[in-house]
Amino acid sequence: DTEVTQTPKHLVMGMTNKKSLKCEQHMGHRAMYWYKQKAKKPPELMFVYSYEKLSINESVPSRFSPECPNSSLLNLHLHALQPEDSALYLCASSPRDHSGNTIYFGEGSWLTVV
Amino acid sequence: AQSVTQLDSQVPVFEEAPVELRCNYSSSVSVYLFWYVQYPNQGLQLLLKYLSGSTLVKGINGFEAEFNKSQTSFHLRKPSVHISDTAEYFCAVTDNNNDMRFGAGTRLTVKP
Repeated sequence: DTEVTQTPKHLVMGMTNKKSLKCEQHMGHRAMYWYKQKAKKPPELMFVYSYEKLSINESVPSRFSPECPNSSLLNLHLHALQPEDSALYLCASSPRDHSGNTIYFGEGSWLTVV
Repeated sequence: AQSVTQLDSQVPVFEEAPVELRCNYSSSVSVYLFWYVQYPNQGLQLLLKYLSGSTLVKGINGFEAEFNKSQTSFHLRKPSVHISDTAEYFCAVTDNNNDMRFGAGTRLTVKP
């Protein structure tokens, strides 16, 4: 079972709102990721958590704030976003066991900032 | 740092024809290579991966890819495509640093 679950599937928020995207996996994976994907573009890495610690931050603006409460959960807190932040946000996980780091993706959360 | 280049942004083919989607990589260290498929309005699904061993890798939905170290390529092939294979295909590369990088993608359109 290779399942990464993301909620909500769709989110519309104003530029002054605070919202969160949630991600969950129960595969025992120890690395979790947030990617951002604009239309007709490849996914771009935002954050990587390895063993619940932030290991990669790809110079993402502070209006995006990741959180990893435990090894199964990953959140992305959103505040004061801009319309250009509208995109598909993909969560992913991998075993982090030097097995080639196969990354498994969720279905994504479609974010629209108005 | 590693990177991948997908040489074709769009590939139109007729149903039941063979197809090859091209991917070249660059890296100074050993890499692992992947192909993902993304159907409209969905997330990414792993098609196949090369980690080590046999250079010919078979994946789901009848796809296969061949790792060629001398040409730094990892082309994806299918001998006979179906309408349902219409999707965006991404080649990706990673090393042991949890840092997966994607190519720009190839839009495969299968026509009846």
